[in-house]
Amino acid sequence: DTEVTQTPKHLVMGMTNKKSLKCEQHMGHRAMYWYKQKAKKPPELMFVYSYEKLSINESVPSRFSPECPNSSLLNLHLHALQPEDSALYLCASSQVGADYNEQFFGPGTRLTVL
Amino acid sequence: KNQVEQSPQSLIILEGKNCTLQCNYTVSPFSNLRWYKQDTGRGPVSLTIMTFSENTKSNGRYTATLDADTKQSSLHITASQLSDSASYICVVSDAGGGNKLTFGTGTQLKVEL
Repeated sequence: DTEVTQTPKHLVMGMTNKKSLKCEQHMGHRAMYWYKQKAKKPPELMFVYSYEKLSINESVPSRFSPECPNSSLLNLHLHALQPEDSALYLCASSQVGADYNEQFFGPGTRLTVL
Repeated sequence: KNQVEQSPQSLIILEGKNCTLQCNYTVSPFSNLRWYKQDTGRGPVSLTIMTFSENTKSNGRYTATLDADTKQSSLHITASQLSDSASYICVVSDAGGGNKLTFGTGTQLKVEL
């Protein structure tokens, strides 16, 4: 299985809602990533987990809260978001260790904040 | 600051024609360079990945080249198909650990009949 899955595909939420994005992979990868991508822009790294521990937080606002409950799952909890947070949220996974390790991306969750 | 620049920004070609996309980077220390294809609203899919010592790598109708001296790469698409319409993103990984990627802004390719 060489696939990264993400749910939901689309999410519309109000600024006072709490929601979560889910990402799953069964490739045995021990590094998982969250990216945010605005239209016609490249993905921007948000968080990196390595061996289920948060290793990189790219100064992301606290209204985004990542969680890695086990080696296959990665969640992104959302609370009190702003309309400018509307974007495509991509999850990726890779082996840990070498910079050569290829990152496999999921299809993304299209988030709209009203 | 690490940067990846791509040209052209957008390109329209007729089905069956060939095209070449360009990528220039200033990433140090360099580890590897990747080309991804991203369909609208979907996640990027890897086409090729090249390290410092590799000059060329092919994946079907896609051929990537790398000149590590001039810090340039190209992606050549042969006999284009309608399904090649997508954004092509050049991505460079530095050797600083953490597998952090620097993304180019992409070339938007449209293949028409």
